[in-house]
Amino acid sequence: EAAVTQSPRSKVAVTGGKVTLSCHQTNNHDYMYWYRQDTGHGLRLIHYSYVADSTEKGDIPDGYKASRPSQENFSLILELASLSQTAVYFCASSGDWGEGQNTLYFGAGTRLSVL
Amino acid sequence: GDSVTQTEGQVALSEEDFLTIHCNYSASGYPALFWYVQYPGEGPQFLFRASRDKEKGSSRGFEATYNKEATSFHLQKASVQESDSAVYYCALSDWDNNRIFFGDGTQLVVKP
Repeated sequence: EAAVTQSPRSKVAVTGGKVTLSCHQTNNHDYMYWYRQDTGHGLRLIHYSYVADSTEKGDIPDGYKASRPSQENFSLILELASLSQTAVYFCASSGDWGEGQNTLYFGAGTRLSVL
Repeated sequence: GDSVTQTEGQVALSEEDFLTIHCNYSASGYPALFWYVQYPGEGPQFLFRASRDKEKGSSRGFEATYNKEATSFHLQKASVQESDSAVYYCALSDWDNNRIFFGDGTQLVVKP
């Protein structure tokens, strides 16, 4: 079964430290996304990618970097973690938008606490 | 810019009640509209979609009809069960940028 796997599932980080969240998909999808979930704000797009070695900024990219080294892998990097980045992070993938395959398939999420 | 508005932050019902969660959107062009459901401790799951005016999407007893004139895609279910308790997200596609916009979500609590 096709899947999106996120690691770690939870993490505690210190303010100012570097955090890397990883996402791996076996859907053979070209499109991958990182969303942030906060109570009362729904899901907000941080970064996304159409193809390996290329990333695009979403609605709230400040303080985050993304890396797409291969079709299957997409990482979210917090170079200097801050308290305001405490949230649940979701990775998702989708098929070819040109063929109307824009349904998102989500991972189970990573709960990040910055102290 | 594109946006999705869900009126209700939380809906509390009893089993067998009728459910309506309101969703209105603002978008240029002709977006596809979606409903996703999220159970505790899990990622959101695709529920169904509609791509053109007056099209009805449905799944697991839930349904919604694309209304371009009213810019709405309201979720309904005739008889809810306790197992339907979850957060429901309305969303739309931005075809120009290959991305999905989500509403803030509606927490559905169904009491036995």
